[in-house]
Amino acid sequence: AQKVTQAQTEISVVEKEDVTLDCVYETRDTTYYLFWYKQPPSGELVFLIRRNSFDEQNEISGRYSWNFQKSTSSFNFTITASQVVDSAVYFCALSEVTTDSWGKLQFGAGTQVVVTP
Amino acid sequence: EAQVTQNPRYLITVTGKKLTVTCSQNMNHEYMSWYRQDPGLGLRQIYYSMNVEVTDKGDVPEGYKVSRKEKRNFPLILESPSPNQTSLYFCASSYLTGYNEQFFGPGTRLTVL
Repeated sequence: AQKVTQAQTEISVVEKEDVTLDCVYETRDTTYYLFWYKQPPSGELVFLIRRNSFDEQNEISGRYSWNFQKSTSSFNFTITASQVVDSAVYFCALSEVTTDSWGKLQFGAGTQVVVTP
Repeated sequence: EAQVTQNPRYLITVTGKKLTVTCSQNMNHEYMSWYRQDPGLGLRQIYYSMNVEVTDKGDVPEGYKVSRKEKRNFPLILESPSPNQTSLYFCASSYLTGYNEQFFGPGTRLTVL
């Protein structure tokens, strides 16, 4: 069963618009970690953020911000004032802390963001 | 430079011909993992290793083998490749466990005819 759902397959925006990427996860664990990774057109995977389940504070890093809400099992990602360099596929991922899942990392299907000038 | 290297980067082969994709990291990381990336499916974990001589199945281990004889290396073996294993493969490593930031290799694009 898919544990991480990224319902948006592709989002197209014009430069300077804000874009929000949705991530909904499913877990029975009380302790888990959530991640966002970026995959630009060049293909490499770049780590953006890690958040543990006990830290619900929202985080801002430059134009990037993350909204973690345990009540809705969501970990959404917003790019403010998008730029062409933000064009990439963005992946949300979940790591659970249980005996069965120890060490496993499960990714969502990814959201392609296209920013046009 | 801290990095994860994979070889080869591109490979075209035929059904049934055994192949190995190598993965090496120079960061002294305990944890290493293999993923495959397919359109619409994101990345799916094949195998992972928490340390030397310790390997575990991910979500899609069928048709693959791994070994972890040395800390820095984690080769992926396809003993009898089939066309459904045509994919983009990534190796990754992280400090201690999979809960930390993972550093990814550049990817290996495999085509099985």
